[in-house]
Amino acid sequence: DAGITQSPRHKVTETGTPVTLRCHQTENHRYMYWYRQDPGHGLRLIHYSYGVKDTDKGEVSDGYSVSRSKTEDFLLTLESATSSQTSVYFCAISNRDRGSYTFGSGTRLTVV
Amino acid sequence: DQQVKQNSPSLSVQEGRISILNCDYTNSMFDYFLWYKKYPAEGPTFLISISSIKDKNEDGRFTVFLNKSAKHLSLHIVPSQPGDSAVYFCAAFNYGGSQGNLIFGKGTKLSVKP
Repeated sequence: DAGITQSPRHKVTETGTPVTLRCHQTENHRYMYWYRQDPGHGLRLIHYSYGVKDTDKGEVSDGYSVSRSKTEDFLLTLESATSSQTSVYFCAISNRDRGSYTFGSGTRLTVV
Repeated sequence: DQQVKQNSPSLSVQEGRISILNCDYTNSMFDYFLWYKKYPAEGPTFLISISSIKDKNEDGRFTVFLNKSAKHLSLHIVPSQPGDSAVYFCAAFNYGGSQGNLIFGKGTKLSVKP
């Protein structure tokens, strides 16, 4: 969807290094989310934001932090990447209209 | 504790036949249910939804049925087409809950054979 973009699309990083993933939206939606998708686990919520500088933890937040300094940008940071954080990360946006989220194309992160 | 369950990891169907994907939930506070479709290397896309006050919603070849007493919903695809081959996620939403976050099931991979 053109209204939401994730960068980078692919990244390989070493264990112990910091990594930041970016989500950018042009829809002016209030709510933004970070999910990870893993085989056998489906989509699990990491963190979400309900406004500028308003964020909260999701189901699997350990090892992750987020920041939202502008409506359009939501950053996910792995302070010290571990192999268990190898995953596909999806950002989503919502105006809370009956839960209809719009997802980005994903970032495939490999931690070696 | 999984609130949304998709117990079938995969389903294989012949082209032209009906595909039925199932989903169970445990939280009676959910008031909206959605199905998302996901192709490889793409993000999930919204397919169809249903409010808890309804028992059926239809959109072209896709119909979602909700049985609140059984806490069960199903997605019917008729007729199934090869392009329907994807992973389907069931999701539930409590509008009045914690920021209204979607809770997803683990997904069912549908394969439609020509």
